[in-house]
Amino acid sequence: DAGVTQTPRHEVAEKGQTIILKCEPVSGHNDLFWYRQTKIQGLELLSYFRSKSLMEDGGAFKDRFKAEMLNSSFSTLKIQPTEPKDSAVYLCASSLWDTYEQYFGPGTRLTVL
Amino acid sequence: GDSVTQTEGQVALSEEDFLTIHCNYSASGYPALFWYVQYPGEGPQFLFRASRDKEKGSSRGFEATYNKETTSFHLQKASVQESDSAVYYCALGPQGTGSKLSFGKGAKLTVSP
Repeated sequence: DAGVTQTPRHEVAEKGQTIILKCEPVSGHNDLFWYRQTKIQGLELLSYFRSKSLMEDGGAFKDRFKAEMLNSSFSTLKIQPTEPKDSAVYLCASSLWDTYEQYFGPGTRLTVL
Repeated sequence: GDSVTQTEGQVALSEEDFLTIHCNYSASGYPALFWYVQYPGEGPQFLFRASRDKEKGSSRGFEATYNKETTSFHLQKASVQESDSAVYYCALGPQGTGSKLSFGKGAKLTVSP
């Protein structure tokens, strides 16, 4: 079975740019999560979708972060405009709604100069 | 809100040492509790879970017992190997249905040969 796919694996952006990160969840999974991972804060939830509906949009990230699920097998995370403090690993995870176990992708490492 | 606390940010051991990583939770009722492991360059992956008081979860030689009285779910392994070097996350799930998790800040385990 294919796991969660994330592209690109690495992204370098200039301050003020718009970047779009992509995620393909495990086929058949209903729930999709976007996280930001840093050494200081650990895993922070950015967005949570259930069956393509936005269930939670991390309050602190609302102004410049926008996640969308275009269909059940594809999601994007847009950061606009980027700032150096956005440098982190962005992780996508999916799960079946009633099984608790989340399957994570390998992440996208974003560096904002 | 519901949360988990991991007190060790870094743990350094030698091969064959006994491992304990502490996890305490704050929640009412009986939330599901999880351990995830993250190896370098990968996303976190599910290790095991427990949902009831005194239930033991285990996988790959790691184990933890759900303790309602002390609100704890400490990770243990009798004899660590260098290949166990990774970041370990404790997580708390919903009491009803759903797959949204609240993660601790993680503990980085380094095992020396």
